[in-house]
Amino acid sequence: GAVVSQHPSRVICKSGTSVKIECRSLDFQATTMFWYRQFPKQSLMLMATSNEGSKATYEQGVEKDKFLINHASLTLSTLTVTSAHPEDSSFYICSALMGQAVHFGNGTRLTVT
Amino acid sequence: QKEVEQDPGPLSVPEGAIVSLNCTYSNSAFQYFMWYRQYSRKGPELLMYTYSSGNKEDGRFTAQVDKSSKYISLFIRDSQPSDSATYLCAPGSGGSYIPTFGRGTSLIVHP
Repeated sequence: GAVVSQHPSRVICKSGTSVKIECRSLDFQATTMFWYRQFPKQSLMLMATSNEGSKATYEQGVEKDKFLINHASLTLSTLTVTSAHPEDSSFYICSALMGQAVHFGNGTRLTVT
Repeated sequence: QKEVEQDPGPLSVPEGAIVSLNCTYSNSAFQYFMWYRQYSRKGPELLMYTYSSGNKEDGRFTAQVDKSSKYISLFIRDSQPSDSATYLCAPGSGGSYIPTFGRGTSLIVHP
């Protein structure tokens, strides 16, 4: 069964608003979670690594003030897309490290109108 | 050269065929190798995890790693229409646990 839960699965928002996406580890504590972005027919692009109790580590080119990551507990990390624009429309996927393997949530399809 | 290369396909095969999915990588520091299956509009699902060269079998799936040639393969026996998905290879280096993903190969198994 699923070990990582992501919510919501789809969200449509208006340009300029903020959207929060939740990622939960089920039945295990995840000190490290990852946030990815995926464009159609493209590979997963790592956006940031989220560590419980500390600041996230962002990949080069990812705006940390636009993509706010909070990992306040061992089972929950959130990604907030602030002041969303149509170019932020994408598929966002979180994952969590369990042992030595990375397990993914089912993704969130964000559409900014 | 990208760190991980995969032919995007699509690879179309009849039901029951043996499927071979391949991946090459350039970083010799990669020590562990994963294959993920991703259905449309879903997150990737971990299929296989191997830590060394050689073969690892799990049901109809066999992962093969050749570190000397930096070549990774996933074989699917008796392929089913439900195997139709994108398969992502994801090698990683020890210590970081952050795999590097290929762009994936789209597989279509038709009845």
